[in-house]
Amino acid sequence: DQQVKQNSPSLSVQEGRISILNCDYTNSMFDYFLWYKKYPAEGPTFLISISSIKDKNEDGRFTVFLNKSAKHLSLHIVPSQPGDSAVYFCAASGSSGGGADGLTFGKGTHLIIQP
Amino acid sequence: DAMVIQNPRYQVTQFGKPVTLSCSQTLNHNVMYWYQQKSSQAPKLLFHYYDKDFNNEADTPDNFQSRRPNTSFCFLDIRSPGLGDAAMYLCATSLRWGDNEQFFGPGTRLTVL
Repeated sequence: DQQVKQNSPSLSVQEGRISILNCDYTNSMFDYFLWYKKYPAEGPTFLISISSIKDKNEDGRFTVFLNKSAKHLSLHIVPSQPGDSAVYFCAASGSSGGGADGLTFGKGTHLIIQP
Repeated sequence: DAMVIQNPRYQVTQFGKPVTLSCSQTLNHNVMYWYQQKSSQAPKLLFHYYDKDFNNEADTPDNFQSRRPNTSFCFLDIRSPGLGDAAMYLCATSLRWGDNEQFFGPGTRLTVL
């Protein structure tokens, strides 16, 4: 049973526009959420995170929104740039001690930025 | 640069032939993790070490074992690989127990013939 779901395997966005990647979760014990970015032949790299006590976290062009009641989070990238083309993984952590028990990942969304 | 290194990047083994994947880190992190990612699937946690304490996920097959001889190195041993074990294996670290952010290596892609 998938606890973290990314329902769009791929997303194509024009350069300069906003990219919105979505993620849903089912486990109400998750209290911390992260987005990772992965280029081909590289490991995932941390992008941005949000604690369940917040509903928004912003870092430059990247903003993550959390809607706890809907168990939904989204990553906004604006403006989108060619270097943003990658696979984006949504991940969640559920232990009260943080992520030391490991992360639960979604399957990823392949973002393609078109010139 | 401090980093997580995985060797080899590509590993081919035969059905039933034991194989060992290696991970090293120069970050001096206390926690090390192994994830398995099959094609088009989410990375799935197999086990992790907090220092020398080993923590196995409940659904990790007995065929998978791990060793951590020191802080820097962690090994994944697959005793009798099956065709279903073909996957990308990702090693990750975090500084402390309770840290959410994990740092990943590039992965080892395992092929089982």
